[in-house]
Amino acid sequence: EVQLVESGGGLVKPGGSLRLSCAGSGFTFSSFSMNWVRQAPGKGLEWVSSISSSGTYMYHADSVRGRFTVSRDNAKNSAYLQMNSLRAEDTAVYYCAKSIAARLDWFDPWGQGTLVTVSS
Amino acid sequence: EIVLTQSPATLSLSPGERATLSCRASQSVSSYLGWYQQKPGQPPRLLIYDASNRATGIPARFSGSGSGTDFTLTISSLEPEDFAVYYCQQRSDWPRTFGQGTKVEIK
Repeated sequence: EVQLVESGGGLVKPGGSLRLSCAGSGFTFSSFSMNWVRQAPGKGLEWVSSISSSGTYMYHADSVRGRFTVSRDNAKNSAYLQMNSLRAEDTAVYYCAKSIAARLDWFDPWGQGTLVTVSS
Repeated sequence: EIVLTQSPATLSLSPGERATLSCRASQSVSSYLGWYQQKPGQPPRLLIYDASNRATGIPARFSGSGSGTDFTLTISSLEPEDFAVYYCQQRSDWPRTFGQGTKVEIK
């Protein structure tokens, strides 16, 4: 069974940093792109970042570019989201999601998410 | 950035009825449009990808259609577990974008 488990969320002050992790199991992690999507409380979905299977290509939303960095370690079956210069508007549940196949970067399945709260 | 506009915002229907949800793109996304379902307290689940392909394990009552800028998700006969929020998403270009969602609620 494919599983994705996020960790690393929590309460952080504006301007602070957090590193989210996403551990994958039940599939060949190195064969799939990985993605981060967030959802502010009571709001819709917002794509944040994606990283190719090898880690060569990385993409970020304009709202986080220059502050967030996506990475992965295929030897550890894990993807990461380094978040710096956090703002109140970054408060959200952060989900990681696997792409369904090579060249088919639809997001499925998703992890249960980790909550990031940015507040003083 | 490609903007996706979903309509209606809320759809009030009874079990057994047909649901028709719309997603319109601000520019052509070819067939690179997908649909997700999200229930309260749960992560989203992929229903349809590339406009009309059902994801693994998705019941046949869910179908997708459209191309270019206009897309439709149809639920042929609503089951109790189908009352949820539905989002469309495009993978035609970066940044990937989602619609604002349509809530299907029990009438």
